[in-house]
Amino acid sequence: DIVMTQSPDSLAVSLGERATINCKSSQSVLYSSNNKNYLAWYQQKPGQPPKLLIYWASTRESGVPDRFSGSGSGTDFTLTISGLQAEDVAVYYCQQYYTTPDTFGQGTKLEI
Amino acid sequence: QVQLVQSGAEVKKPGASVKVSCKASGYTFTSYYMHWVRQAPGQGLDWMGIINPSGGFTNYAQKFQGRVTMTWDTSTSTVYMELSSLRSEDTAVYYCARAMLITTHLFDYWGQGTLVTVSS
Repeated sequence: DIVMTQSPDSLAVSLGERATINCKSSQSVLYSSNNKNYLAWYQQKPGQPPKLLIYWASTRESGVPDRFSGSGSGTDFTLTISGLQAEDVAVYYCQQYYTTPDTFGQGTKLEI
Repeated sequence: QVQLVQSGAEVKKPGASVKVSCKASGYTFTSYYMHWVRQAPGQGLDWMGIINPSGGFTNYAQKFQGRVTMTWDTSTSTVYMELSSLRSEDTAVYYCARAMLITTHLFDYWGQGTLVTVSS
C-alpha cells in the first residue's frame, strides 16, 4: 500500500495569514501516460463528512474558494490556504488514488 | 440535488454483523460508482471498497476481504455495506461516498455517516 504522510500534525495560523500543509507519498503518484498526479485534498469539519477541495494535485473542485491551492508532483505535495478565514478551521487530509487501496494521510488539524 | 442518506447508528456485540444502508437521490443511481470509507473515533480515513451499482463490480480493500460485502438495490437506489465478525476495532463512523465520473476514486458527495459501536 502507498503510505501517505502529512506534516505537521497540527498548526495554528492567524486570521488572514497563510497556512501550508505538506503531504508525502511513499511512492510516486504521477501517472506518466497522462502526466497527472493522482493526489487529492479533503477538508473535514467536526461532525461532518470530508469535503473534496483539490484533485489532480492542483485542480480546485467547483465552488471551492480560490484561497485554496495545491501544488507538487511525484511524491511531494502541498496544500496552501491563503488569507485564512475562521471557517477554514478543520482537519485536512491528502489522498492518493493512483492505486488501490486508496490511502489517506493521517490528517492535519488547522486552528486559528 | 445529490443526497446520500445513511441508516442510523448501530450497537453490536463482538462477533456479530452489521449492515449499513446508503440511499441515493438526485442523480442517476447506476451511473456512478459508490465507495465506503470508515473513520474510527478521533482517527483518519480508511478506504473499505467500491461497488458499481450497474453490474455489481466490487473491489474490497485487502484488510476487509472475507468480512465485507457491498451490495445494491436499483429499485430503491440504495447501496449496502455489511461487515461481519465485528471486533472492538471496527467501532467507527462508516461513510458512503459517491465517485466522480472523471475518475472513479475521487469522492464528490458523502453520506452523513453511520456510527457503528462494537461493545460487549
